[in-house]
Amino acid sequence: KQEVTQIPAALSVPEGENLVLNCSFTDSAIYNLQWFRQDPGKGLTSLLLIQSSQREQTSGRLNASLDKSSGRSTLYIAASQPGDSATYLCAVRSLYNNAGNMLTFGGGTRLMVKP
Amino acid sequence: AAGVIQSPRHLIKEKRETATLKCYPIPRHDTVYWYQQGPGQDPQFLISFYEKMQSDKGSIPDRFSAQQFSDYHSELNMSSLELGDSALYFCASSFNLNTEAFFGQGTRLTVV
Repeated sequence: KQEVTQIPAALSVPEGENLVLNCSFTDSAIYNLQWFRQDPGKGLTSLLLIQSSQREQTSGRLNASLDKSSGRSTLYIAASQPGDSATYLCAVRSLYNNAGNMLTFGGGTRLMVKP
Repeated sequence: AAGVIQSPRHLIKEKRETATLKCYPIPRHDTVYWYQQGPGQDPQFLISFYEKMQSDKGSIPDRFSAQQFSDYHSELNMSSLELGDSALYFCASSFNLNTEAFFGQGTRLTVV
């Protein structure tokens, strides 16, 4: 059974810092990995999708990497802003019953960027 | 761009009542997923559909059922509601099984 872990659980940084969020998964048989942002009580916004054959994806100040063999992904946020404050979730789409049709989520990292 | 639409956004039910949550996927998306997120928890997979057929089943209670209709919208039916069913219920859609999943804003169900 796939298990996804995110470290740290919470992070508080001053505005302008570069930061790294970590995600690890136990089963490397995956289709892809997605990073999401969730504001309190709100829905999940997709940030980046990395296919299993890819090593990284970039979108603006965000860069996500994937090392499938070691079961790790990182989300790098450059020049953090107070508006980046949210919970960041990584989710892995596993090869399950020969169909990649379920996302397994990590527990999330709650990020606060202080002005 | 059109997103995943869920209705209702908020729902209050009493114990032992039934509830029906609806999900309208992004146009041309053929796969729908349902997730349950309790307070302070990460989303837990309930069930998914691909091309109107159930494709996978997670931790969905027997009291719950779901289906995907010919227009690809999906409904999650919940019966004999319990206090512990109070949660945010998310629907997500994707084109095919392996592409990016997009989530709706969720339905907040409160059972009193």
